[in-house]
Amino acid sequence: SQQGEEDPQALSIQEGENATMNCSYKTSINNLQWYRQNSGRGLVHLILIRSNEREKHSGRLRVTLDTSKKSSSLLITASRAADTASYFCALTDSWGKLQFGAGTQVVVTP
Amino acid sequence: EAGVTQFPSHSVIEKGQTVTLRCDPISGHDNLYWYRRVMGKEIKFLLHFVKESKQDESGMPNNRFLAERTGGTYSTLKVQPAELEDSGVYFCASSQDLGDAYNEQFFGPGTRLTVL
Repeated sequence: SQQGEEDPQALSIQEGENATMNCSYKTSINNLQWYRQNSGRGLVHLILIRSNEREKHSGRLRVTLDTSKKSSSLLITASRAADTASYFCALTDSWGKLQFGAGTQVVVTP
Repeated sequence: EAGVTQFPSHSVIEKGQTVTLRCDPISGHDNLYWYRRVMGKEIKFLLHFVKESKQDESGMPNNRFLAERTGGTYSTLKVQPAELEDSGVYFCASSQDLGDAYNEQFFGPGTRLTVL
């Protein structure tokens, strides 16, 4: 099935540090997306990276994609307490259905 | 513009009871998706509406779950009768139909369902 698997499951860092999490998948993809879920809130779309792209930036976020290794990474630079959340990668089928991994729980302490 | 809204935000029911969850997508969004996250597990797709039609309901766990989207606007997801394993957070998402399957999906805050 088209499903990403995040690594690590949990990450604890201090404000100002960078946080990196990875997503691996098994099938070929057209794109890969990253989402964030703050406690008690819905999922927020962060970045979509297409299979012909290798790197994408959005503010303090940097996503890379290596289709030869079937993996993607999400880097949050200069983390803030507000970045505390669960982060998910998701693969999309041709109808837009998202298939999520189990997520990485990131805790940023002041 | 209002985002995707879901009601209720929390629901606590006993095993065997019926619960109906509601999702109001962003106005004009033809695509509506239901997902759920059972405790400690990944977020799983349940079904996808295009307007009022079910495009894909392959993720519905069993026939105790019934989703409707009459008129192609809001959607309801009914669980009858509820079982303990149905506990989790149910998310709804919507997206525009721009001829591209990879349109951004906007998620609601979710309904946390607890079955005792």
